[in-house]
Amino acid sequence: QKEVEQDPGPLSVPEGAIVSLNCTYSNSAFQYFMWYRQYSRKGPELLMYTYSSGNKEDGRFTAQVDKSSKYISLFIRDSQPSDSATYLCAMKGGGADGLTFGKGTHLIIQP
Amino acid sequence: DAGVTQSPTHLIKTRGQHVTLRCSPISGHKSVSWYQQVLGQGPQFIFQYYEKEERGRGNFPDRFSARQFPNYSSELNVNALLLGDSALYLCASSPDRRWREQYFGPGTRLTVT
Repeated sequence: QKEVEQDPGPLSVPEGAIVSLNCTYSNSAFQYFMWYRQYSRKGPELLMYTYSSGNKEDGRFTAQVDKSSKYISLFIRDSQPSDSATYLCAMKGGGADGLTFGKGTHLIIQP
Repeated sequence: DAGVTQSPTHLIKTRGQHVTLRCSPISGHKSVSWYQQVLGQGPQFIFQYYEKEERGRGNFPDRFSARQFPNYSSELNVNALLLGDSALYLCASSPDRRWREQYFGPGTRLTVT
């Protein structure tokens, strides 16, 4: 079992829909949780990071962490075609360990 | 402000050769991390440096090495290249040694033939 599980998709939704992206993890040592967006053949772009369980909102994006269930989510409201990309969840513990990534979910927003 | 820069953009090497990849962090950032991203997978952690010292290492063979210079730029070296080393190599910079916020560069695409 991988430390971080993420459905690779593709996930296709119509423009304007609410998108829900999810990851599960097995390592209880993970404390910090991030979401990255990666366009084809580009480097990942940091969207949000969270520390505690609960919700964090930034514009059209909401990140949700449930440590008891080892489950994190990213919601995108009013989705746009420009949101079409691969979304990577990442997490780390409190020390000098690097980020552990999911495989990424390929999201397609249909105009 | 300029983001993380990496060079070269693309590179083609032959099995058994050596390669050096370069990274300049965001101005003011003292930490650099290296990741390998194989097609269809998430990035995998290789090394982490802060103030020119190695602070973390992922599960990669000794053929992989890195260093950080006084100006906080960094090099990743890979010896005895294998076909399986073909990947996008990403550099990320962080403002501090908590490494919670990591900002990635565009990557170097390495092809080993």
